[in-house]
Amino acid sequence: QVHLVQSGAEVKKPGASVKVSCKASGYTFSDYYIHWVRQAPGQGLEWMGRINPKTSGRYYAQKFQGRVTMTRDKSITTAYMELTSLRSDDTAVYFCARGSAVAGPVENWGQGTLVTVSS
Amino acid sequence: QSVLTQPPSVSGAPGQRVTISCTGSSSNIGAGYDVHWYQQLPGTAPKLLIYVNTNRPSGVPDRFSGSKSVTSASLAITGLQAEDEADYYCQSYDSSLSGWVFGGGTKLTVL
Repeated sequence: QVHLVQSGAEVKKPGASVKVSCKASGYTFSDYYIHWVRQAPGQGLEWMGRINPKTSGRYYAQKFQGRVTMTRDKSITTAYMELTSLRSDDTAVYFCARGSAVAGPVENWGQGTLVTVSS
Repeated sequence: QSVLTQPPSVSGAPGQRVTISCTGSSSNIGAGYDVHWYQQLPGTAPKLLIYVNTNRPSGVPDRFSGSKSVTSASLAITGLQAEDEADYYCQSYDSSLSGWVFGGGTKLTVL
């Protein structure tokens, strides 16, 4: 059974950075993209980017370029998303999501990680 | 402003049929990219409801169905039940953005 288990909630001050992890199990880690999607309180879903665990190739949404870095560690089947220069409007639940194709659906979601940015 | 446009809310009585539209453009749905639908209950991660326009994952009731036309797609729910009350999102791929795009979400209220 596929599982994506994310790290716990974080509280950060404006200007700080946050790194969220996503531990994958139940499938071959390298065979599926890991995407990151966020959801601000009461708002919709926003795609941040994706990483190919096999090649480490990544693509970021233009909005986040320069502030986001997605990485992976194949040895522990874990993907990471780091967001820097945090602002209050970065307060959101961050989800990792597994997909088999660049344009395909999300086949599995992590449980989400709440990141709160507050002074 | 979401790239894909959905109505903010729809409602229906138990047993009725409702539809949720998702309108895109020539760089996403109109370019032939598939549409997928998700159901999100409060405080939980979204759940895949319809993939590749019309397909239901195992375990999704056949009360849920999807369709796609030139630059839009629709989710239909028949025989509405109280447990269907949730937020629904459409998703596709956009070639100009080289990434996923989502609709703004539609809140379904079962009266």
